[in-house]
Amino acid sequence: GAVVSQHPSRVICKSGTSVKIECRSLDFQATTMFWYRQFPKQSLMLMATSNEGSKATYEQGVEKDKFLINHASLTLSTLTVTSAHPEDSSFYICSARPLLAGGTDTQYFGPGTRLTVL
Amino acid sequence: GDSVTQMEGPVTLSEEAFLTINCTYTATGYPSLFWYVQYPGEGLQLLLKATKADDKGSNKGFEATYRKETTSFHLEKGSVQVSDSAVYFCALMAPRGSARQLTFGSGTQLTVLP
Repeated sequence: GAVVSQHPSRVICKSGTSVKIECRSLDFQATTMFWYRQFPKQSLMLMATSNEGSKATYEQGVEKDKFLINHASLTLSTLTVTSAHPEDSSFYICSARPLLAGGTDTQYFGPGTRLTVL
Repeated sequence: GDSVTQMEGPVTLSEEAFLTINCTYTATGYPSLFWYVQYPGEGLQLLLKATKADDKGSNKGFEATYRKETTSFHLEKGSVQVSDSAVYFCALMAPRGSARQLTFGSGTQLTVLP
């Protein structure tokens, strides 16, 4: 089946540093990748939608200069949390929609990345 | 805007018990409705879906019926197993929009005891 990986699975960093999270579709090409943020006991909140080769579309309230998204190829999207602060600590999840999706509602999810900012 | 309200957990059941996890939604038009499951250490997986009113989605013994009149999509299983222990998310996708974004409920942690 379709597999999406995320790296790293966990990261701890100091306040003020930048952290890059990778999302890869391992056995399919993805035209669109989504980035979500999940707080404890809360739902997944969509942060941004990225399409290969174009700028990401950010949801209202998400700082695009803070959360840099790059979707340089059909199998890789990256989320960089710049100048991280403790309030950025969260669980970040990506999903990918295949290039040849059987239906336009098909998305495959990565296992998530736990970010802790000290 | 669109929203999904999901039964709060955690839910703890004995093996072979009946499961219901409630889900109601608010959306314009006729969204598609989904249940996703997240097993420990893994990504969300699509469990079942329904795309129009009165449709019933089913998979692995789980069922949910799209009820337009009550704006609900409750998840049910007649006899749960220990292996069903996971977090379950209800979600909707708006009928229009090129991005086809998902809106999720808060998730319900299910633990099934042997």
